[in-house]
Amino acid sequence: DAGITQSPRHKVTETGTPVTLRCHQTENHRYMYWYRQDPGHGLRLIHYSYGVKDTDKGEVSDGYSVSRSKTEDFLLTLESATSSQTSVYFCAISGSPTGELFFGEGSRLTVL
Amino acid sequence: SQQGEEDPQALSIQEGENATMNCSYKTSINNLQWYRQNSGRGLVHLILIRSNEREKHSGRLRVTLDTSKKSSSLLITASRAADTASYFCATDAGSSASKIIFGSGTRLSIRP
Repeated sequence: DAGITQSPRHKVTETGTPVTLRCHQTENHRYMYWYRQDPGHGLRLIHYSYGVKDTDKGEVSDGYSVSRSKTEDFLLTLESATSSQTSVYFCAISGSPTGELFFGEGSRLTVL
Repeated sequence: SQQGEEDPQALSIQEGENATMNCSYKTSINNLQWYRQNSGRGLVHLILIRSNEREKHSGRLRVTLDTSKKSSSLLITASRAADTASYFCATDAGSSASKIIFGSGTRLSIRP
């Protein structure tokens, strides 16, 4: 299995609070992704990174920011969580731009 | 809206039968990938087909790609109970090769 760890795995928070999800990899892969998964929507790309300090927006980036200060970590931040951001968040990594993605086990976030 | 859309949304077949899932996408691509997700878990890569390929096989999996119709199909032959899962196609966004977009998925159920 690819060395990819998401933390926390479960979090319950209140509307308006900041939340940061962490994705950590030990594979030295260049590409990292954050997706959210909701019933009926499959996986939707939030942000992705193609190198240290190189990030770009995905399909549903509003309300989210990311940072990648080193190869192994990709952080997803919700500056002020809303109930619509209740979801399961998946991190994925890849060694090539159009190659196979390796997924983490997901982080379940509930915003009350 | 999402790049890839799967059809059907849900499929229930008898064990031993073949399962066919379809994916349509909107823009030109470099590759198309298929992934599988067991309930509550991260996605697992099944197969990748390049834009210059028309068909690819891997074990009981057969993938076809028709770039003129912007569509792909995944065939699982001789289905087993363990094939019960959700299946997703994923494409790059053409000019933004590292931007990997997923469809909404097909939920496959295998009846014993």
